Amino acid sequence: DSGVTQTPKHLITATGQRVTLRCSPRSGDLSVYWYQQSLDQGLQFLIQYYNGEERAKGNILERFSAQQFPDLHSELNLSSLELGDSALYFCASSEGDRPRGEQYFGPGTRLTVT
Amino acid sequence: GENVEQHPSTLSVQEGDSAVIKCTYSDSASNYFPWYKQELGKGPQLIIDIRSNVGEKKDQRIAVTLNKTAKHFSLHITETQPEDSAVYFCAASSRTGANNLFFGTGTRLTVIP
Repeated sequence: DSGVTQTPKHLITATGQRVTLRCSPRSGDLSVYWYQQSLDQGLQFLIQYYNGEERAKGNILERFSAQQFPDLHSELNLSSLELGDSALYFCASSEGDRPRGEQYFGPGTRLTVT
Repeated sequence: GENVEQHPSTLSVQEGDSAVIKCTYSDSASNYFPWYKQELGKGPQLIIDIRSNVGEKKDQRIAVTLNKTAKHFSLHITETQPEDSAVYFCAASSRTGANNLFFGTGTRLTVIP
């Protein structure tokens, strides 16, 4: 158990809908990262937050957004969902925002868009 | 940005044999190289990492080597056991910019009892 929690574990929704994925980092970790894992794209970095502020953006679509709250949990919002958004979404956390810091992953949320 | 390539994509070994997975990276500024093990239905689990100031690191049956000149690093698992069966991912992170990881495409390791 990495100490990172994610809810829900599974999510099934229809195209055009909006969903929110939630992540709680390990105790003491200030950085949260979101990754998408799909069969054709592998594990791809979406976005990073550090202590409530956006720190880095990767291959995140404009339909997707995230935020980190004062209690350090984070939410990833996915809107206008398309079939291609079906994937595993992982949250990871690390102590700081400095490069070369260990990242610990949560169990993931499996999103299925029908 | 960084590009990480990983080989092989699948690997089958007999229990007790060794397994080697290799990765190359493109960005010479990368200086942190973790390896993750992902079991079915679970998130990636950090199993070992290496930083660019060392060439080799070992933890029991697992070792990682790094060749900065050639920009490649490898995972070595000795005395493999059936519970080592999983998908293994290498990753790289740059010393500049964000701390996000760039992942390889994964190696599915099967240890045959």
